[in-house]
Amino acid sequence: AQTVTQSQPEMSVQEAETVTLSCTYDTSESDYYLFWYKQPPSRQMILVIRQEAYKQQNATENRFSVNFQKAAKSFSLKISDSQLGDAAMYFCAYRSGRNNAGNMLTFGGGTRLMVKP
Amino acid sequence: EAGVTQSPTHLIKTRGQQATLRCSPISGHTSVYWYQQALGLGLQFLLWYDEGEERNRGNFPPRFSGRQFPNYSSELNVNALELEDSALYLCASSRRQSTQPQHFGDGTRLSIL
Repeated sequence: AQTVTQSQPEMSVQEAETVTLSCTYDTSESDYYLFWYKQPPSRQMILVIRQEAYKQQNATENRFSVNFQKAAKSFSLKISDSQLGDAAMYFCAYRSGRNNAGNMLTFGGGTRLMVKP
Repeated sequence: EAGVTQSPTHLIKTRGQQATLRCSPISGHTSVYWYQQALGLGLQFLLWYDEGEERNRGNFPPRFSGRQFPNYSSELNVNALELEDSALYLCASSRRQSTQPQHFGDGTRLSIL
């Protein structure tokens, strides 16, 4: 079974600064997808960014980028120019690429990000 | 485009009762997923429905069940409610292929008294 670990329960960043959230995962599969979701106090899980394991290039979405290290099974999220609206719980998630794998997401425990003005 | 909608927002029940939670997927999405977000336990996969059938089930007892309707909306039913069922229940939807990301609703907060 796959596992996802987020070792930082809480992180803090100054507004306009850069912060990196860590995520490691354990899998024996070669085909999979990784995601970062954001959950603000409003509760809705919002997809921030995703990475296909077969792509060597790190995904980027505006101020959000990932550092995907497949051999190390590491998938960190970098938020540049942090804004007050970035304050939320961030979840790292894994999904198998196998067609009969069940499609479910396996989540890490989450990292609460606080942004200081 | 309307997102995933869930109802009710909050549901209060007592032990032993039954709860029904509802989810409407994004238009064009045929897959619906249910997750439980309980305090201290994180997010756990419950059920996956696609084209009206249950496709996968997480490690939950049989009193957690559901169904998917022809319009792809879904219900999650929890029978014989226990205190530990108190949690945020999140519904997500996606297109059928595993390459497609899941988009979540705002969740239903189920409180068991």
